[in-house]
Amino acid sequence: GIQVEQSPPDLILQEGANSTLRCNFSDSVNNLQWFHQNPWGQLINLFYIPSGTKQNGRLSATTVATERYSLLYISSSQTTDSGVYFCAVVSIGGYQKVTFGIGTKLQVIP
Amino acid sequence: DTGVSQNPRHKITKRGQNVTFRCDPISEHNRLYWYRQTLGQGPEFLTYFQNEAQLEKSRLLSDRFSAERPKGSFSTLEIQRTEQGDSAMYLCASSPRDRLIGANVLTFGAGSRLTVL
Repeated sequence: GIQVEQSPPDLILQEGANSTLRCNFSDSVNNLQWFHQNPWGQLINLFYIPSGTKQNGRLSATTVATERYSLLYISSSQTTDSGVYFCAVVSIGGYQKVTFGIGTKLQVIP
Repeated sequence: DTGVSQNPRHKITKRGQNVTFRCDPISEHNRLYWYRQTLGQGPEFLTYFQNEAQLEKSRLLSDRFSAERPKGSFSTLEIQRTEQGDSAMYLCASSPRDRLIGANVLTFGAGSRLTVL
């Protein structure tokens, strides 16, 4: 099956700093989503971005499908950004099976 | 629209007992997914329904696990003869059918945490 690798595995930021999270995937995809899992375990969809660039407030994401990677940018980080960020994909021909990476654990300190 | 609802939120059981989790998806969503998540890992796919049809099952879903979605509405995930290795968070997600806005975007419930003693 498709492999999803995320980096870095852990990240500690000072409040106000910017960061970039990366997701590499091993096969062509027709579905890519970024999720945030808060400290209470709730998974929230941030972006549906199989290709191109999207922005939502302080967050933006870019997927370069031909090169099999996606980036999530967090600007002016806040303590509420803490949690785990997951990349999830569906490979072309993978029907509707959404495969998650292991995540990037982010801690934003005041 | 109250989102995806999962019950119970927490379940503690003794090894060998059976447990059942329920998921109520967003009403207009015809796709429903079950995932399992253990500490420090990403969610692992278990199974997927489109309406009442179970279209895909992971090899993780041993014969002790069974999922149903009668009438294409709520779904249940039953684990028989639980083992300590079944301890995990069981997550349910739903998404709209094809050709609708957000057709491939998953909305997750809060999860059901299982502890097997």
